[in-house]
Amino acid sequence: DAKTTQPNSMESNEEEPVHLPCNHSTISGTDYIHWYRQLPSQGPEYVIHGLTSNVNNRMASLAIAEDRKSSTLILHRATLRDAAVYYCILRDVAGQGAQKLVFGQGTRLTINP
Amino acid sequence: KAGVTQTPRYLIKTRGQQVTLSCSPISGHRSVSWYQQTPGQGLQFLFEYFSETQRNKGNFPGRFSGRQFSNSRSEMNVSTLELGDSALYLCASSHGGTTPYEQYFGPGTRLTVT
Repeated sequence: DAKTTQPNSMESNEEEPVHLPCNHSTISGTDYIHWYRQLPSQGPEYVIHGLTSNVNNRMASLAIAEDRKSSTLILHRATLRDAAVYYCILRDVAGQGAQKLVFGQGTRLTINP
Repeated sequence: KAGVTQTPRYLIKTRGQQVTLSCSPISGHRSVSWYQQTPGQGLQFLFEYFSETQRNKGNFPGRFSGRQFSNSRSEMNVSTLELGDSALYLCASSHGGTTPYEQYFGPGTRLTVT
């Protein structure tokens, strides 16, 4: 399973943008980059995913480096509700392991009011 | 649409006993995956079922098993419980297949082994 590297923790202020980095230097051509987050006392929640191009949805944006060896999850205007552990995950959709999510330690995001 | 439901939400068992946890996926989803979350090991993949067949398995001992029914509901069973099995057990459902559909997680079952 290709691995990802994320900072253990990050801190930001409410209503400011947050950039959460992820390194994945061993990414393969069939790996999609997924982000999930886990709020306290809840199961993980899907945030966004992408393959090569930058992606936007109502929750966040995903910026993918041209060589695909790194990516950044962008929360445009953080709220207190965004305080969670954010996981960057590579999913190889080429085969039976497509549904297997390999979670790392993630980044614990703290939002200050 | 109803989300993923897991029952029971909390469970206390004694070492040596066995336990069965249940997961009802989102309607129309055919894939159910199970994960174990502990403070020390984080979130770890147990296994995935698709159309009543185990399609993928993580690195857990044979005491951990599961099954899926024709309505896509899934159960996981842990036999001969050990103290280290105390964890939050999460299930996730998705459409399955080889497309990067997102997975939807349930709230989990908190198992405590004493």
